Amino acid sequence: AQKITQTQPGMFVQEKEAVTLDCTYDTSDQSYGLFWYKQPSSGEMIFLIYQGSYDEQNATEGRYSLNFQKARKSANLVISASQLGDSAMYFCAMREGKDSSYKLIFGSGTRLLVRP
Amino acid sequence: DVKVTQSSRYLVKRTGEKVFLECVQDMDHENMFWYRQDPGLGLRLIYFSYDVKMKEKGDIPEGYSVSREKKERFSLILESASTNQTSMYLCASSWEGGQVNEKLFFGSGTQLSVL
Repeated sequence: AQKITQTQPGMFVQEKEAVTLDCTYDTSDQSYGLFWYKQPSSGEMIFLIYQGSYDEQNATEGRYSLNFQKARKSANLVISASQLGDSAMYFCAMREGKDSSYKLIFGSGTRLLVRP
Repeated sequence: DVKVTQSSRYLVKRTGEKVFLECVQDMDHENMFWYRQDPGLGLRLIYFSYDVKMKEKGDIPEGYSVSREKKERFSLILESASTNQTSMYLCASSWEGGQVNEKLFFGSGTQLSVL
């Protein structure tokens, strides 16, 4: 079974509008962390935002917020006031807390295109 | 700022060649990782290392090996390159501890084509 599922291969958004990128996850651990990364055409993965499973508030970082719904096992990324520079691939990832696991498990990604 | 440097941005090799992908980080991180990125599959972990000379298999280690002789350097080795190893390879590093909130710092990737 997929641990991280991103069901939107590609999305368009108009400049200055908000957009939500979907991510669902699967784990039996109580302790886990969820991450979003951005990958522009240059190739480097840029960390955007983090949400811990015990965090009671949704994480926010500037124009990025994470809509964390624990019961639904979803961790959607919301980008407000989209900019042309937001056009990129976006990856959702999870680290499970068991066994002091080191690795991040990634989804398949969503390509976002911001239209002027 | 943390810097993770991969030696080549683009690489073209022939089938059967031995290929070395090099990665260097400058922040004294304990952990280093090699991921492979393919369209529709996201990033998949090949190998990681949590200390010098220590290594662990990831999810897709077949056809690859790694070397970590110095803390700052982590090499991915394709013993005999094959066309199905054509891919984007991403190196990453992180602090020690394996905490759930530990983020990875990535290099810019190496796009490898095996002909």
